[in-house]
Amino acid sequence: NAGVTQTPKFRILKIGQSMTLQCAQDMNHNYMYWYRQDPGMGLKLIYYSVGAGITDKGEVPNGYNVSRSTTEDFPLRLELAAPSQTSVYFCASKGRQGSETQYFGPGTRLLVL
Amino acid sequence: AQSVTQPDIHITVSEGASLELRCNYSYGATPYLFWYVQSPGQGLQLLLKYFSGDTLVQGIKGFEAEFKRSQSSFNLRKPSVHWSDAAEYFCAVDLTSNTGKLIFGQGTTLQVKP
Repeated sequence: NAGVTQTPKFRILKIGQSMTLQCAQDMNHNYMYWYRQDPGMGLKLIYYSVGAGITDKGEVPNGYNVSRSTTEDFPLRLELAAPSQTSVYFCASKGRQGSETQYFGPGTRLLVL
Repeated sequence: AQSVTQPDIHITVSEGASLELRCNYSYGATPYLFWYVQSPGQGLQLLLKYFSGDTLVQGIKGFEAEFKRSQSSFNLRKPSVHWSDAAEYFCAVDLTSNTGKLIFGQGTTLQVKP
């Protein structure tokens, strides 16, 4: 049982490049989330999903896209990378409604130059 | 505006001393409340949570937190700090238990002196 896994661990992008941050969970959780953490700040919700095929915006969705084709995977897409997207990205998941504990992945550190 | 505030950005305590980390929220109703810990270069780990009932909740690693409705606070405590407790601590709230969207405070960095 690996929990929540994220790849890559670290990536450097040039301005305007695109990339996909991968997130997978093996706990059969319905809910999945993407957060970003800027230096000295708490986490902010980018997008979330309540099940396969269902996604919705969080607090800071601009510049990002997501999809949820399976229960296990929740990739985050950056289409045109900007320096403001330099951050650490965390994926999280939780089980059915009524199970409130979120489990976090180890994070992806992204640097946009 | 709705927010979660952790007034102390950085706290230093001596090993063996007691610890209290403050958290206040500004919402009309009582949200679900959480404390997470983040060690350097790691993801977040849940320490404890409050949904309802007994306002003093026990968590892992010897931590506890007390919910005070009148003060809109959910302070984290530990009677005796260990060097391994040095980390960043985040308070978070969930306004909508249906979706689990967490709102985090800005975090408190704990340094432990030998």
